[in-house]
Amino acid sequence: TQLLEQSPQFLSIQEGENLTVYCNSSSVFSSLQWYRQEPGEGPVLLVTVVTGGEVKKLKRLTFQFGDARKDSSLHITAAQPGDTGLYLCAGSSGGSYIPTFGRGTSLIVHP
Amino acid sequence: SAVISQKPSRDICQRGTSLTIQCQVDSQVTMMFWYRQQPGQSLTLIATANQGSEATYESGFVIDKFPISRPNLTFSTLTVSNMSPEDSSIYLCSVTVPPPGYTFGSGTRLTVV
Repeated sequence: TQLLEQSPQFLSIQEGENLTVYCNSSSVFSSLQWYRQEPGEGPVLLVTVVTGGEVKKLKRLTFQFGDARKDSSLHITAAQPGDTGLYLCAGSSGGSYIPTFGRGTSLIVHP
Repeated sequence: SAVISQKPSRDICQRGTSLTIQCQVDSQVTMMFWYRQQPGQSLTLIATANQGSEATYESGFVIDKFPISRPNLTFSTLTVSNMSPEDSSIYLCSVTVPPPGYTFGSGTRLTVV
């Protein structure tokens, strides 16, 4: 069974601070996705990374896929209260269309 | 990408009863997926539902407890049967979207008392 470990599990910061969330595994993934889930809603896909070393930016969010495609990070610059939510990473490998999900990082950004 | 309408959004149920959750997709999709999300846990796949065939259940989930219907390419239901407090959770349906990823319904928050 492939496992994805996310850290930290909880993060409480002030508006304007920077933060990084990590997603690590001992398995190699062909692609890795990041989702954000707000209370009372389902997860929303933010980005998919497929190439080792790939970096993608989405406004103040920067996503990186590790060179060996075993890990990924999400960096948020100048966090805002609207960034509050549960951030989930999910990895897919081989021909499987069913990803493995991490437990998530719960982020609270205080105004 | 696909839009999924899921209902009910939440319910409080008595133990021993059953609840049916519905998901309607705005486009035709081959596969629909049902997940459970427990507090502090990752999303756990319950089953994959294909139109015209029986659902495929993951280890630890059985059809008698979680019967699934998939009558057409835009609709599916998941029933949580003979509920106990341990079934309290968020239930989510989803479909695959390109690039590799999922679109999820808004979830059903179930509390069993």
